[in-house]
Amino acid sequence: QKEVEQDPGPLSVPEGAIVSLNCTYSNSAFQYFMWYRQYSRKGPELLMYTYSSGNKEDGRFTAQVDKSSKYISLFIRDSQPSDSATYLCAMSAWGAQKLVFGQGTRLTINP
Amino acid sequence: NAGVMQNPRHLVRRRGQEARLRCSPMKGHSHVYWYRQLPEEGLKFMVYLQKENIIDESGMPKERFSAEFPKEGPSILRIQQVVRGDSAAYFCASSLFLGRESEAFFGQGTRLTVV
Repeated sequence: QKEVEQDPGPLSVPEGAIVSLNCTYSNSAFQYFMWYRQYSRKGPELLMYTYSSGNKEDGRFTAQVDKSSKYISLFIRDSQPSDSATYLCAMSAWGAQKLVFGQGTRLTINP
Repeated sequence: NAGVMQNPRHLVRRRGQEARLRCSPMKGHSHVYWYRQLPEEGLKFMVYLQKENIIDESGMPKERFSAEFPKEGPSILRIQQVVRGDSAAYFCASSLFLGRESEAFFGQGTRLTVV
C-alpha cells in the first residue's frame, strides 16, 4: 500500500464548475499537508499549505484536512481554463526533511 | 530574485554514459532537495543536502547515484553508467530554514532521456 493515494484521473469539468481533488494517506505521523500545481513540462508550484486538521482558504482555493480519516481535499471554485494542470498532494511528518507525494490528478477545465 | 535554476533542461545520454544535473538554489537558501518523477507518477524524494553535507539520502539508489552541494557552486546530482530506467524528470527544490522543507521552492526540472 502506498503511503499517499491520489486518483490520477484524468478529470475533465466545464468552466465555472467546482472541482474537488482528494488524497488519502496511511501514515498517522504526517502533520503538514500541501497541494502543488504542475503545468506540463514545468516544476511543481506550491498552492496551499496547511498544518494539522482544519480548513484553509485562499481566493478560489480551499484546502481541507481530516486527520481522523486520513483524508485531505482541495476545492477549486469558479474553475478557469488556466486551472488545467496536474495537482499533486504532498505531506510530511514533523521533523522530516522530505515530502511524500501522491501520484497527481490531471485536471482539464473546458471553456 | 531568480528562482531555483536547474540545467540542463533536457539531457540525452546513451546507456553507460554519465549524467550530471545541476541545481542552483534560490538566493540565500542553503538547503537543497532532489526528487525524481517517473512518467505518470508523483515525485519521489531522493536526497536532502546542506552546504558540504548530505543530511538524508534514504531515497537514493544504492549504486550509481551520488549528490553533492559544495561550499561554492551548484548542487550536483550525478548518475553513473545510466540505464533506460533512469529516464525521468529530476527536480531540485531549495528552502531557507532547517526543517521548513514543506515551503521549498522547486526548479523547472531536468528531463533525462537514456537511449
